[in-house]
Amino acid sequence: EPEVTQTPSHQVTQMGQEVILRCVPISNHLYFYWYRQILGQKVEFLVSFYNNEISEKSEIFDDQFSVERPDGSNFTLKIRSTKLEDSAMYFCASSQVGTDTQYFGPGTRLTVL
Amino acid sequence: GIQVEQSPPDLILQEGANSTLRCNFSDSVNNLQWFHQNPWGQLINLFYIPSGTKQNGRLSATTVATERYSLLYISSSQTTDSGVYFCAVSLTGGGNKLTFGTGTQLKVEL
Repeated sequence: EPEVTQTPSHQVTQMGQEVILRCVPISNHLYFYWYRQILGQKVEFLVSFYNNEISEKSEIFDDQFSVERPDGSNFTLKIRSTKLEDSAMYFCASSQVGTDTQYFGPGTRLTVL
Repeated sequence: GIQVEQSPPDLILQEGANSTLRCNFSDSVNNLQWFHQNPWGQLINLFYIPSGTKQNGRLSATTVATERYSLLYISSSQTTDSGVYFCAVSLTGGGNKLTFGTGTQLKVEL
């Protein structure tokens, strides 16, 4: 069964550094999403992406964040200058046109020191 | 924004017991999904169920959209069922973003 994949599984970085989290959505899906989960809390929506542009973003998704689909398979989340409070699990998800079910990747655990 | 509340927040069961988890939401939705977050943090899709009833093995779910709640039933629980169960919804006419509930932490003991 097709799956959403994410790399790396765990990233440790110093405060102020840039990080790029990578996702490969399911191949025939056209809607892409990023969510995050701070340890012990619920999952929160960050951004959705369709047709090569952001379709919706949350208050969390400020100027430090950006998303890109650099080629036909990858979908990336960049955090320009990481803060301690960016430490969280980041999930990528994708869905097909015409359906609502979102499929989630295994997540990237980001630790900012 | 939409409110999604889950109950109970914590649940401890003996292996073999049955349980019911509840998800209440405050507005009309066009998508409701149940997830199981395993001890490694992965979110596993259980059901896409904006309305009606579905069953998959020992798990089943029912959503009563007109009354804005959904129930997840776990029968004959096993230790591997332990983890956090989340429901998540997206609003009718509100785009596709999922709003998650706060989850039910389930522990199944031998």
